[in-house]
Amino acid sequence: KNEVEQSPQNLTAQEGEFITINCSYSVGISALHWLQQHPGGGIVSLFMLSSGKKKHGRLIATINIQEKHSSLHITASHPRDSAVYICAVNSGGGADGLTFGKGTHLIIQP
Amino acid sequence: DSGVTQTPKHLITATGQRVTLRCSPRSGDLSVYWYQQSLDQGLQFLIHYYNGEERAKGNILERFSAQQFPDLHSELNLSSLELGDSALYFCASSVGQAPNTEAFFGQGTRLTVV
Repeated sequence: KNEVEQSPQNLTAQEGEFITINCSYSVGISALHWLQQHPGGGIVSLFMLSSGKKKHGRLIATINIQEKHSSLHITASHPRDSAVYICAVNSGGGADGLTFGKGTHLIIQP
Repeated sequence: DSGVTQTPKHLITATGQRVTLRCSPRSGDLSVYWYQQSLDQGLQFLIHYYNGEERAKGNILERFSAQQFPDLHSELNLSSLELGDSALYFCASSVGQAPNTEAFFGQGTRLTVV
């Protein structure tokens, strides 16, 4: 069983819809990251969370440490939001790299 | 632009060969992490260097090695290449090695082994 589980694996929505992507993890963590990967392959860091909630533009990320769960929300979705969204955690000390979920492939149709 | 530079962007080579991937971290970042992204395994942590020293190893094969130089750029060496080594290889840099530091990713090197 993967330490980081994301749902859904695939999501297709219409432009303007509110999008939620979920991430559950089974280990203790020091931080959780949301990443975005476009078809060209490059990875962009969206958020790093250790508690609470963060907002950047139309993106909102929340984390519940007790429930080992995080959500990424996109408000007023747009076709340019189409990408793979990846949840990743720091589960060890600072020396260890990230442990990744398998990603959510999001398509926003105009 | 994350400020992390990886070269080359694409690499095609034959089985049994050896290649070197290069990563230049953001200015001031001391940590470099290497990751592999393959279709079957997804993204996996390979190795972490901090200020020239190896700090942690993940799922890195013995045929693979890395180093970080005094100017903080890093190289990932892949030898005796197999078809299954075909993947995207990313490096990421961060200021420190504490868990709560944001990681900045390069654009990746796409390695194809034929």
